[in-house]
Amino acid sequence: QSALTQPASVSGSPGQSITISCTGTSSDIGAYNYISWYQQHPGKAPKLIIHDVGVRPSGVSSRFSGSKSGNTASLTISGLQTEDEADYHCTSYTTRYTYVFGGGTKLTVL
Amino acid sequence: EVQLAESGGNLVRPGGSLRLSCAASGLPFSTDWMTWVRQAPGKGLEWVANIAPDSKITNYLESVRGRFTISRDNAKKSLYLQMNSLRVEDTSLYYCVTHNNWRFDYWGQGTLVTVSS
Repeated sequence: QSALTQPASVSGSPGQSITISCTGTSSDIGAYNYISWYQQHPGKAPKLIIHDVGVRPSGVSSRFSGSKSGNTASLTISGLQTEDEADYHCTSYTTRYTYVFGGGTKLTVL
Repeated sequence: EVQLAESGGNLVRPGGSLRLSCAASGLPFSTDWMTWVRQAPGKGLEWVANIAPDSKITNYLESVRGRFTISRDNAKKSLYLQMNSLRVEDTSLYYCVTHNNWRFDYWGQGTLVTVSS
């Protein structure tokens, strides 16, 4: 099972919006809506920020939103803040009863 | 508050074995799916294995199937990962994660496994 494809890095200025893509196949992202996103600050454990494509857990800012089209999922962060600078990871359930993650995207807030 | 505390990571030679443990608190555990996720230094996350609440279902990453075994003891609220025939490419920080409804809710801080001669 190959990893999902994410850009290695994205950047934006405070207040701007950015979108991180996550591309898979018809055996993972295209097959299910079980797509989630995780935020990871340096030296910390990942934190769930989006599940089921676009659902935010309680306590997660509404500036985070998710979507999906075909075999590609996307995470959008609006109104960028300095504390959003982190690594972001997508994952999807697969038709083999396993999970696959993306390679991770480093977000830099300029 | 949910807490997951991993232990057992160490430096081991290629071909060696290790057993990771995860002690859970603040959650039912006996009704939770559990998962191990790993992260190589400077790399992305990689799902390794998961186990059903009653241990009847387990799933593995293809590259670890036959070498790793996930298990649990609900009475002790503990999750385990027996790792045999370790390879250099298994070097990672291993996270214990709760896994319900196809999402990974709570993560431990990880335990480091280094495979090197």
